[in-house]
Amino acid sequence: EAGVTQFPSHSVIEKGQTVTLRCDPISGHDNLYWYRRVMGKEIKFLLHFVKESKQDESGMPNNRFLAERTGGTYSTLKVQPAELEDSGVYFCASSSGPGTEAFFGQGTRLTVV
Amino acid sequence: AQSVTQLDSHVSVSEGTPVLLRCNYSSSYSPSLFWYVQHPNKGLQLLLKYTSAATLVKGINGFEAEFKKSETSFHLTKPSAHMSDAAEYFCVVSDRGRNAGNMLTFGGGTRLMVKP
Repeated sequence: EAGVTQFPSHSVIEKGQTVTLRCDPISGHDNLYWYRRVMGKEIKFLLHFVKESKQDESGMPNNRFLAERTGGTYSTLKVQPAELEDSGVYFCASSSGPGTEAFFGQGTRLTVV
Repeated sequence: AQSVTQLDSHVSVSEGTPVLLRCNYSSSYSPSLFWYVQHPNKGLQLLLKYTSAATLVKGINGFEAEFKKSETSFHLTKPSAHMSDAAEYFCVVSDRGRNAGNMLTFGGGTRLMVKP
């Protein structure tokens, strides 16, 4: 069974550009989460989808970040326009239900220059 | 509100010696506690979890952790380190309150180095 996959694994963009990160959860997992680790800081929660609905987006830093999960399958996280402080590793996780194990992807390392 | 403190950002041990990675938490509700490990260029992998059953939890690769409510601690231990244990370890808490099991709160991570 395929795990959680994230694309791309690395992305280097210039300040002001747009970047879209993609996450494919484990098939059948209704719950999908985005987390971020900025350099030198803790891994922080961004948001949580249940199927295609945003259950909790309290961790989204500002309106430059837009997450979608069309059809309740894969999810995208778009940053527009990117700023230097957006650099970090973006993790996606999925689970079959609340309280069950969350499986993480390898992360996307985003560098904004 | 919930928070996690990993007391050591780096731990270095010799192969074959015990490992102790320390973690303290705070939580408004009855917490679920986890340890995740991240090897280089890999995703986060669950080592073990505590969800209110036995306070001594056994995980994969010989790791175990003990939930101590009086000390609000969940330290990770292993009797004998292997070179393959070198990685970054994260202590994680999830409140089993209104948003049970949804949002994970991570500690800052402990990088474990194992010397031959």
